[in-house]
Amino acid sequence: DGGITQSPKYLFRKEGQNVTLSCEQNLNHDAMYWYRQDPGQGLRLIYYSQIVNDFQKGDIAEGYSVSREKKESFPLTVTSAQKNPTAFYLCASSIVTGQSPLHFGNGTRLTVT
Amino acid sequence: AQSVTQLGSHVSVSEGALVLLRCNYSSSVPPYLFWYVQYPNQGLQLLLKYTTGATLVKGINGFEAEFKKSETSFHLTKPSAHMSDAAEYFCAVGGGNKLTFGTGTQLKVEL
Repeated sequence: DGGITQSPKYLFRKEGQNVTLSCEQNLNHDAMYWYRQDPGQGLRLIYYSQIVNDFQKGDIAEGYSVSREKKESFPLTVTSAQKNPTAFYLCASSIVTGQSPLHFGNGTRLTVT
Repeated sequence: AQSVTQLGSHVSVSEGALVLLRCNYSSSVPPYLFWYVQYPNQGLQLLLKYTTGATLVKGINGFEAEFKKSETSFHLTKPSAHMSDAAEYFCAVGGGNKLTFGTGTQLKVEL
């Protein structure tokens, strides 16, 4: 079945360490996204990519970085510069940005202590 | 610019009662509107979407939403709530290069 795979489900890191969250899709979608979810704040867009080797900052990109070397993959790195990294991170993909429904992975819960 | 407001962060209904979750949007272009549902520790699942055409949109699990341009609203309804409907619901608006989500409404269904 086609879908989006995020790994790992739970991730624990010490403060000051960079950490990379994996996102892979086999839906053949051009667009991919990373959202951050915090209680009571909904989903906030971190980065998105409309095509391989290209990506744009979302609303809260500071302290994060991404790459899009393959159509299927869009990893997110949470750097030590991110002040409050503990959150639930959701990866999504769509056929066309802004118009098509997003297909979501099951998320990665990152805890930094 | 686009934005979404979901009125009521928590809604509680009795099993069998009408479910009404409110969503108002702001968009500078003709909007694409979506409702998603999220169960604990999972991703979001699409319930329904409005692009163009009929203003009453039917989705999965008995949910539907009505697009009212004059009121800039896209409220979600279900005639009879079931215990399995307990979840968090998100309204989203698209039309630029991204979707913007509301802050969510937690639906509780009581016996």
